Amino acid sequence: AQKVTQAQTEISVVEKEDVTLDCVYETRDTTYYLFWYKQPPSGELVFLIRRNSFDEQNEISGRYSWNFQKSTSSFNFTITASQVVDSAVYFCALSEASFNKFYFGSGTKLNVKP
Amino acid sequence: DGGITQSPKYLFRKEGQNVTLSCEQNLNHDAMYWYRQDPGQGLRLIYYSQIVNDFQKGDIAEGYSVSREKKESFPLTVTSAQKNPTAFYLCASSFIGGTSQETQYFGPGTRLLVL
Repeated sequence: AQKVTQAQTEISVVEKEDVTLDCVYETRDTTYYLFWYKQPPSGELVFLIRRNSFDEQNEISGRYSWNFQKSTSSFNFTITASQVVDSAVYFCALSEASFNKFYFGSGTKLNVKP
Repeated sequence: DGGITQSPKYLFRKEGQNVTLSCEQNLNHDAMYWYRQDPGQGLRLIYYSQIVNDFQKGDIAEGYSVSREKKESFPLTVTSAQKNPTAFYLCASSFIGGTSQETQYFGPGTRLLVL
């Protein structure tokens, strides 16, 4: 079974639209970490955020915000007023305390058109 | 500047040839990882190492080998036994802290193509 599911394979929006990328995870651990990474066309994965399982506060960083809800096992990522430079593949990942490994989702490709 | 470097950026392999991808980090990270990414796919773990002279297989280790002789370096060899090596290879590193993995940071990647 998939530990991390990103059901949206590809999303296209027009610049300045808001967009939310969904991430649903599965774990039996009570201690775990969730991550979001951005992969621009150049290929390198860029770390965006890390959240631990005990901190359900939403986080905002500029145009980026993250909504962590343990009740629905979701860690969604919203980009406000999207820009062309946001075009990339975005990956959600899970790390469990009981096993030293990252589980990556399959990624969501975001296309922001001018 | 601290970071992770991978070389070469592009690598071409002939049939039956072994090739080695380099990964170096100067972040003083304990753990290092190799992932494979196929077009339109997520990341799959090949090997990882948490300490010098020790490493573990990931999900798709067959046809690959690694070594960890220095903390800073974790080269990956794609052997002739790997029948479909064309992919994008990403190296990552992290500290190991507490009861859970720390954030993994990634290098720029190496694209391997078979001639």
